[in-house]
Amino acid sequence: DIQLTQSPSSMSASLGDRVSLTCQSSQGIGNYLSWYQHKPGKPPKPMIYYATNLADGVPSRFSGSRSGSDYSLTISSLESEDTAIYYCLQYDEYPYTFGAGTKLELK
Amino acid sequence: QVQLQQSGAELVKPGSSVKISCKASGYTFTSYDMHWIKQQPGNGLEWIGWIYPGNGNTKYNQKFNGKATLTADKSSSTAYMQLSSLTSEDSAVYFCAREATVAPQYYFDYWGQGVMVTVSS
Repeated sequence: DIQLTQSPSSMSASLGDRVSLTCQSSQGIGNYLSWYQHKPGKPPKPMIYYATNLADGVPSRFSGSRSGSDYSLTISSLESEDTAIYYCLQYDEYPYTFGAGTKLELK
Repeated sequence: QVQLQQSGAELVKPGSSVKISCKASGYTFTSYDMHWIKQQPGNGLEWIGWIYPGNGNTKYNQKFNGKATLTADKSSSTAYMQLSSLTSEDSAVYFCAREATVAPQYYFDYWGQGVMVTVSS
């Protein structure tokens, strides 16, 4: 199975900070990677698909990028509502696999 | 608007089975894959498999072969997942999620609210 390694596992940042979360794939998956925001008691919310595309309704401060097998989710200016756990998901090969998540908190 | 409404929480005994549902509305049920995802307490997300309600085709994570069975009822626009031979390892929240299908827009665009399944004697 393809392993997705997310880093850091947790982090805290201040309002207005630029934040980057990373997801590294154990093998090539092309751009078949998406990102999800998960808050307690709610279902995950899609943020980015096909590595760099913003999902419907997602604020423009979020962006996705790829460098080789490293994928990043960047928040250009952190807002309080962005605190959550963020998961990456590869859908290039079965079984689909998620990263372990990055917990993002406010400092 | 697209909605996925899942059934209520379940408390079930070890060794038994449970069937949870995901009722879709606001779109053509038979045209989109429905996926199922597991989240154990304090853990991350795990993909179980998908069903295409249009023809009943399924694909499973091998880890869940024999554990999960996915079905769909076109007449009621409802997807189901049956979990069998339940153990404490099956205690989790289970989500259904629709997969957008226009390449490369393969992502889970709508999710159910989740169903908590607790396995306990």
